Amino acid sequence: QVQLVESGGGLVKPGGSLRLSCAGSGFNFNDYYMSWIRQAPGKGLEWVSHISRGGSSIHYTDSVKGRFTISRDNAKNSLYLQMNNLRAEDTAVYYCARGIGWDYFDNWGQGTLVTVSS
Amino acid sequence: EIVMTQSPATLSVSPGERATLSCRASQSVSSNLAWYQQKPGQAPRLLIYGASTRATGIPARFSGSGSGTEFTLTISSLQSEDFALYYCQHYYDWPRTFGQGTKVEIK
Repeated sequence: QVQLVESGGGLVKPGGSLRLSCAGSGFNFNDYYMSWIRQAPGKGLEWVSHISRGGSSIHYTDSVKGRFTISRDNAKNSLYLQMNNLRAEDTAVYYCARGIGWDYFDNWGQGTLVTVSS
Repeated sequence: EIVMTQSPATLSVSPGERATLSCRASQSVSSNLAWYQQKPGQAPRLLIYGASTRATGIPARFSGSGSGTEFTLTISSLQSEDFALYYCQHYYDWPRTFGQGTKVEIK
């Protein structure tokens, strides 16, 4: 069955960096668009970034442009999110999600918590 | 940015009753709308896409309708496992945005 497992979350100071990873299994990873979606504590869902199957096309929400970089390694069935210059408002559970095209998300990981605090 | 507004924020329903959740888009998203269910401590689960198509394995008691700016998720007869948070999401343009959620709680 489809599995998405995130890792790399933790506590980081404002201005710091963190790299999240997501390992996919149970499906042909390189056939799918992939996304990062986050959820601040007690809040709703916020789409963060989306990457095409080959990695050549990428979108970001405005609040992370220039700070976050999404990438993927299809040989390793893995998705990444490099997060730089982190802010308190980036504190959230970050979910990796499989995209159906650019559109909606049919499978989600369990998430990894990122806390930005001094 | 398209703003998705869900109502009500909380819906109190008795088991076996019907629940009707609303989602409004600030501009037309055609039928490019999905619904998700999220239980405490869990990841969201896709329920509906294309405004009205049930995702794989979703029971028939869940149905979606609407197009343009007004959408509805109906749960025909609430089961205990349906008490959860529900989110709508458009995929008409960038950025993809979600509604703030409707919590369906036991009355």
